[in-house]
Amino acid sequence: GQNIDQPTEMTATEGAIVQINCTYQTSGFNGLFWYQQHAGEAPTFLSYNVLDGLEEKGRFSSFLSRSKGYSYLLLKELQMKDSASYLCAVMDSNYQLIWGAGTKLIIKP
Amino acid sequence: GAVVSQHPSRVICKSGTSVKIECRSLDFQATTMFWYRQFPKKSLMLMATSNEGSKATYEQGVEKDKFLINHASLTLSTLTVTSAHPEDSSFYICSANFGGETEAFFGQGTRLTVV
Repeated sequence: GQNIDQPTEMTATEGAIVQINCTYQTSGFNGLFWYQQHAGEAPTFLSYNVLDGLEEKGRFSSFLSRSKGYSYLLLKELQMKDSASYLCAVMDSNYQLIWGAGTKLIIKP
Repeated sequence: GAVVSQHPSRVICKSGTSVKIECRSLDFQATTMFWYRQFPKKSLMLMATSNEGSKATYEQGVEKDKFLINHASLTLSTLTVTSAHPEDSSFYICSANFGGETEAFFGQGTRLTVV
């Protein structure tokens, strides 16, 4: 079956760095997405990785290793507004998105 | 980026009534639209995939007669929850893709409460 695993909850301190991991087993691979979702709102796009390596976009970076079925989202200089759920999703061979359950990130002052 | 507008953002309805949710792509033609449902603290669950001008493809376990999807044009898809019951209360989100793009653009979501 298809499976996306990510931690349920993480806690970090304002100004620090946090890494949210995602491992996947899917039928085919056409890219991995990270989305941010604040409570009660729809997800917003953060990043898309289809080749191995690190993609940096401001305070957020995303890494992909296709051979290991592994990705991480790195958030630097954490701000209180970064408190949200972070969803990892993989596009399979049918171009459908398979979603992880999300990681709730709690930022403490 | 592309904009997807979903309406209404919140709706409260009585048990037994039907509710229609609209999803519009404002600045592009969406070849495919997806409807998701999200329960509290759970992952997004794909309900159905709709392509303009053809019948929607429903995921296993989703009742097609209860969740009617109409993708009448390249910019509009609607989800109608028929004869709603309290267990249908949830957060419904649509997303759209257009040709050549793999990124999904999400609507704002609709919080449905059935009383």
